[in-house]
Amino acid sequence: NAGVTQTPKFRILKIGQSMTLQCTQDMNHNYMYWYRQDPGMGLKLIYYSVGAGITDKGEVPNGYNVSRSTTEDFPLRLELAAPSQTSVYFCASESQGNQPQHFGDGTRLSIL
Amino acid sequence: RKEVEQDPGPFNVPEGATVAFNCTYSNSASQSFFWYRQDCRKEPKLLMSVYSSGNEDGRFTAQLNRASQYISLLIRDSKLSDSATYLCVVNSGYALNFGKGTSLLVTP
Repeated sequence: NAGVTQTPKFRILKIGQSMTLQCTQDMNHNYMYWYRQDPGMGLKLIYYSVGAGITDKGEVPNGYNVSRSTTEDFPLRLELAAPSQTSVYFCASESQGNQPQHFGDGTRLSIL
Repeated sequence: RKEVEQDPGPFNVPEGATVAFNCTYSNSASQSFFWYRQDCRKEPKLLMSVYSSGNEDGRFTAQLNRASQYISLLIRDSKLSDSATYLCVVNSGYALNFGKGTSLLVTP
Protein backbone atom coordinates (compact mmCIF):
# COMPACT_ATOMS: atom_id res chain seq x y z
CA ASN A 1 0.00 0.00 0.00
CA ALA A 2 1.90 3.06 -1.26
CA GLY A 3 -0.44 5.76 0.16
CA VAL A 4 0.41 9.18 -1.29
CA THR A 5 3.33 9.26 -3.71
CA GLN A 6 5.03 12.46 -4.85
CA THR A 7 7.60 12.88 -7.60
CA PRO A 8 10.21 14.21 -7.93
CA LYS A 9 11.67 14.35 -4.42
CA PHE A 10 14.11 17.13 -5.29
CA ARG A 11 14.37 19.58 -8.17
CA ILE A 12 16.31 22.71 -9.06
CA LEU A 13 14.76 25.05 -11.60
CA LYS A 14 15.93 28.21 -13.27
CA ILE A 15 13.79 31.35 -13.07
CA GLY A 16 11.11 31.25 -15.75
CA GLN A 17 11.16 27.49 -16.27
CA SER A 18 8.04 25.41 -15.83
CA MET A 19 7.46 22.03 -14.25
CA THR A 20 4.79 19.72 -12.91
CA LEU A 21 4.89 18.17 -9.47
CA GLN A 22 3.19 14.81 -9.55
CA CYS A 23 0.98 13.38 -6.81
CA THR A 24 -0.91 10.11 -6.84
CA GLN A 25 -2.78 8.20 -4.15
CA ASP A 26 -4.01 4.62 -4.12
CA MET A 27 -6.50 4.90 -1.25
CA ASN A 28 -9.46 5.98 -3.40
CA HIS A 29 -9.67 9.24 -1.45
CA ASN A 30 -11.92 11.93 -2.86
CA TYR A 31 -10.17 14.90 -1.29
CA MET A 32 -6.66 15.94 -2.30
CA TYR A 33 -4.56 18.95 -1.36
CA TRP A 34 -1.35 20.77 -2.21
CA TYR A 35 0.55 22.66 0.49
CA ARG A 36 3.81 24.52 0.59
CA GLN A 37 5.99 24.87 3.66
CA ASP A 38 8.67 27.54 3.88
CA PRO A 39 11.48 27.20 6.47
CA GLY A 40 10.23 27.72 10.01
CA MET A 41 6.67 28.26 8.84
CA GLY A 42 3.43 26.31 8.89
CA LEU A 43 1.84 24.64 5.91
CA LYS A 44 -0.08 26.90 3.54
CA LEU A 45 -2.77 25.53 1.27
CA ILE A 46 -2.23 26.17 -2.44
CA TYR A 47 -5.08 24.26 -4.11
CA TYR A 48 -7.47 21.50 -3.19
CA SER A 49 -9.90 19.13 -4.86
CA VAL A 50 -12.97 17.37 -3.49
CA GLY A 51 -13.26 14.97 -6.40
CA ALA A 52 -12.35 14.30 -10.01
CA GLY A 53 -13.08 17.33 -12.17
CA ILE A 54 -13.36 19.72 -9.21
CA THR A 55 -10.58 22.03 -8.02
CA ASP A 56 -10.50 25.20 -5.95
CA LYS A 57 -8.02 27.78 -4.72
CA GLY A 58 -6.53 27.74 -1.27
CA GLU A 59 -4.68 30.45 0.60
CA VAL A 60 -1.73 30.93 -1.79
CA PRO A 61 -2.73 29.88 -5.35
CA ASN A 62 -0.92 32.56 -7.38
CA GLY A 63 1.69 31.14 -9.75
CA TYR A 64 0.25 27.61 -9.65
CA ASN A 65 -2.32 25.55 -11.49
CA VAL A 66 -3.84 22.15 -10.85
CA SER A 67 -6.02 19.59 -12.56
CA ARG A 68 -7.91 16.54 -11.31
CA SER A 69 -8.81 14.32 -14.23
CA THR A 70 -8.83 11.14 -12.13
CA THR A 71 -9.45 10.30 -8.48
CA GLU A 72 -5.86 9.10 -8.10
CA ASP A 73 -3.86 11.98 -9.57
CA PHE A 74 -3.57 15.65 -8.61
CA PRO A 75 -0.62 17.31 -10.39
CA LEU A 76 0.57 20.81 -9.49
CA ARG A 77 1.91 22.99 -12.30
CA LEU A 78 4.34 25.90 -12.03
CA GLU A 79 4.28 27.86 -15.28
CA LEU A 80 6.93 30.55 -14.72
CA ALA A 81 9.11 29.60 -11.78
CA ALA A 82 10.09 32.44 -9.45
CA PRO A 83 12.54 32.45 -6.51
CA SER A 84 9.59 33.01 -4.12
CA GLN A 85 8.36 29.53 -5.04
CA THR A 86 11.39 27.90 -3.49
CA SER A 87 9.81 25.70 -0.85
CA VAL A 88 8.89 22.19 0.19
CA TYR A 89 5.66 21.03 -1.41
CA PHE A 90 3.43 18.44 0.20
CA CYS A 91 0.51 16.65 -1.36
CA ALA A 92 -2.14 15.12 0.92
CA SER A 93 -5.32 13.12 0.59
CA GLU A 94 -8.37 12.59 2.76
CA SER A 95 -11.20 10.10 2.49
CA GLN A 96 -13.93 12.68 3.19
CA GLY A 97 -14.34 15.95 5.04
CA ASN A 98 -13.27 16.36 8.68
CA GLN A 99 -10.90 13.40 8.53
CA PRO A 100 -7.12 13.28 9.05
CA GLN A 101 -5.01 13.80 5.97
CA HIS A 102 -2.30 11.50 4.67
CA PHE A 103 0.79 13.20 3.32
CA GLY A 104 3.32 12.35 0.67
CA ASP A 105 7.06 12.59 1.34
CA GLY A 106 7.28 16.06 -0.16
CA THR A 107 9.07 17.67 -3.09
CA ARG A 108 11.95 20.01 -2.29
CA LEU A 109 12.06 22.67 -4.98
CA SER A 110 14.71 25.34 -5.41
CA ILE A 111 14.47 28.08 -7.99
CA LEU A 112 17.67 29.92 -8.81
CA ARG B 1 -5.65 36.94 14.15
CA LYS B 2 -4.18 33.70 12.84
CA GLU B 3 -6.52 30.72 12.46
CA VAL B 4 -4.38 28.48 14.65
CA GLU B 5 -1.84 29.71 17.18
CA GLN B 6 0.59 27.61 19.15
CA ASP B 7 3.18 28.04 21.87
CA PRO B 8 6.25 29.45 20.16
CA GLY B 9 8.69 26.97 21.71
CA PRO B 10 11.23 25.50 21.48
CA PHE B 11 10.83 23.21 24.45
CA ASN B 12 13.99 21.54 25.75
CA VAL B 13 13.21 18.86 28.33
CA PRO B 14 15.12 15.95 29.91
CA GLU B 15 14.13 12.37 29.28
CA GLY B 16 11.27 11.32 31.51
CA ALA B 17 9.80 14.80 31.82
CA THR B 18 6.19 15.71 31.23
CA VAL B 19 5.61 18.46 28.69
CA ALA B 20 2.42 20.25 27.61
CA PHE B 21 1.68 22.10 24.40
CA ASN B 22 -1.17 24.55 23.95
CA CYS B 23 -3.04 25.76 20.93
CA THR B 24 -5.89 28.20 20.27
CA TYR B 25 -8.07 28.49 17.19
CA SER B 26 -10.19 31.34 15.92
CA ASN B 27 -13.03 29.67 14.01
CA SER B 28 -15.74 28.65 16.46
CA ALA B 29 -17.41 26.54 13.74
CA SER B 30 -14.41 24.21 13.44
CA GLN B 31 -15.44 20.58 13.51
CA SER B 32 -12.33 18.48 13.78
CA PHE B 33 -9.02 18.79 15.53
CA PHE B 34 -5.72 16.95 15.31
CA TRP B 35 -2.17 16.87 16.52
CA TYR B 36 0.41 16.01 13.90
CA ARG B 37 4.09 15.32 14.37
CA GLN B 38 6.71 16.51 11.89
CA ASP B 39 10.31 15.36 11.96
CA CYS B 40 13.01 17.51 10.42
CA ARG B 41 12.61 17.69 6.63
CA LYS B 42 9.86 15.06 6.67
CA GLU B 43 6.15 15.08 6.00
CA PRO B 44 3.61 15.69 8.81
CA LYS B 45 2.21 12.50 10.30
CA LEU B 46 -0.96 12.17 12.32
CA LEU B 47 -0.25 11.75 16.02
CA MET B 48 -3.83 11.74 17.24
CA SER B 49 -7.26 13.17 16.69
CA VAL B 50 -8.68 15.33 19.48
CA TYR B 51 -12.18 14.70 20.82
CA SER B 52 -14.36 16.87 23.02
CA SER B 53 -14.26 14.36 25.86
CA GLY B 54 -10.48 14.22 25.77
CA ASN B 55 -8.55 11.19 24.62
CA GLU B 56 -5.40 9.31 25.47
CA ASP B 57 -3.02 7.21 23.43
CA GLY B 58 -0.29 5.70 25.56
CA ARG B 59 1.86 8.55 26.88
CA PHE B 60 -0.07 11.17 24.92
CA THR B 61 -3.22 12.92 26.12
CA ALA B 62 -5.18 15.45 24.09
CA GLN B 63 -7.83 17.81 25.40
CA LEU B 64 -10.29 20.09 23.64
CA ASN B 65 -12.17 23.00 25.19
CA ARG B 66 -14.67 24.26 22.62
CA ALA B 67 -15.88 27.12 24.79
CA SER B 68 -12.38 28.55 25.07
CA GLN B 69 -11.34 27.35 21.58
CA TYR B 70 -8.30 25.74 23.14
CA ILE B 71 -6.52 22.45 22.45
CA SER B 72 -3.73 20.83 24.43
CA LEU B 73 -1.33 17.94 24.12
CA LEU B 74 0.36 16.36 27.13
CA ILE B 75 3.33 14.05 26.71
CA ARG B 76 4.31 11.99 29.74
CA ASP B 77 7.62 10.23 30.33
CA SER B 78 9.30 11.93 27.35
CA LYS B 79 11.57 9.80 25.17
CA LEU B 80 14.46 10.91 22.99
CA SER B 81 12.40 9.77 20.03
CA ASP B 82 9.68 12.30 20.90
CA SER B 83 11.97 15.09 19.63
CA ALA B 84 10.09 16.67 16.73
CA THR B 85 7.83 19.56 15.85
CA TYR B 86 4.21 19.18 16.96
CA LEU B 87 1.57 20.77 14.78
CA CYS B 88 -1.88 21.76 16.02
CA VAL B 89 -4.35 21.31 13.18
CA VAL B 90 -7.95 22.49 12.92
CA ASN B 91 -10.48 21.79 10.21
CA SER B 92 -12.09 25.00 8.99
CA GLY B 93 -14.60 23.88 6.42
CA TYR B 94 -12.84 22.85 3.24
CA ALA B 95 -9.35 22.24 4.48
CA LEU B 96 -7.08 21.92 7.46
CA ASN B 97 -5.42 24.92 9.08
CA PHE B 98 -2.01 24.21 10.49
CA GLY B 99 -0.29 26.00 13.32
CA LYS B 100 3.37 26.84 12.81
CA GLY B 101 4.32 24.08 15.21
CA THR B 102 6.14 23.80 18.50
CA SER B 103 9.59 22.28 18.54
CA LEU B 104 10.41 19.72 21.22
CA LEU B 105 13.91 18.53 22.03
CA VAL B 106 14.23 15.75 24.56
CA THR B 107 17.74 15.45 25.94
CA PRO B 108 19.48 12.55 27.73
